[in-house]
Amino acid sequence: DAGVIQSPRHEVTEMGQEVTLRCKPISGHDYLFWYRQTMMRGLELLIYFNNNVPIDDSGMPEDRFSAKMPNASFSTLKIQPSEPRDSAVYFCASRPGLAPGELFFGEGSRLTVL
Amino acid sequence: AQKVTQAQTEISVVEKEDVTLDCVYETRDTTYYLFWYKQPPSGELVFLIRRNSFDEQNEISGRYSWNFQKSTSSFNFTITASQVVDSAVYFCALRNSGYALNFGKGTSLLVTP
Repeated sequence: DAGVIQSPRHEVTEMGQEVTLRCKPISGHDYLFWYRQTMMRGLELLIYFNNNVPIDDSGMPEDRFSAKMPNASFSTLKIQPSEPRDSAVYFCASRPGLAPGELFFGEGSRLTVL
Repeated sequence: AQKVTQAQTEISVVEKEDVTLDCVYETRDTTYYLFWYKQPPSGELVFLIRRNSFDEQNEISGRYSWNFQKSTSSFNFTITASQVVDSAVYFCALRNSGYALNFGKGTSLLVTP
């Protein structure tokens, strides 16, 4: 079975540009999570969805960040406008609805904002 | 509030040494789940083990073993006879009534030949 698929794997952009990160969860998984990893703050939860509905977005840093899940097989994380402090690795993860369930992570999208 | 503390930021050992990675957690819930993940230099996050709060049995999987002690709120991870391929960052994580994982800051393990 295919794992969680993220794109792009690497993105380099300039400050002020819009960035869109994409995620395809594992088929049949009801939960989708977006995490951000930085050296200073480690792995932080940004938002998670259950059955395409955002459940907890308290980790989204500010209004420049938005996430959507238009269907069960696709989610986006958008940053507009991007800033250098947004540079990080962004991970998408999914899990089935049955408790307790570990998270299955994608390979991450490394974002560099110049 | 829930919190995971991995006090060891970096550990360096010589191959074949045993090494223990510490994890201390805080939660007010009686039902919770603990996890360990490995992040090798390639960057992906690899699931290693899950434990629920009602199961305090220690577990061994090959060279890996885990010691869960509710009395000290600890879930420590031991690698026996370490190998160079064990070099990675290891994360401990906690999940309670919510569905997301709360990760510790990680311990970077370097195993040298």
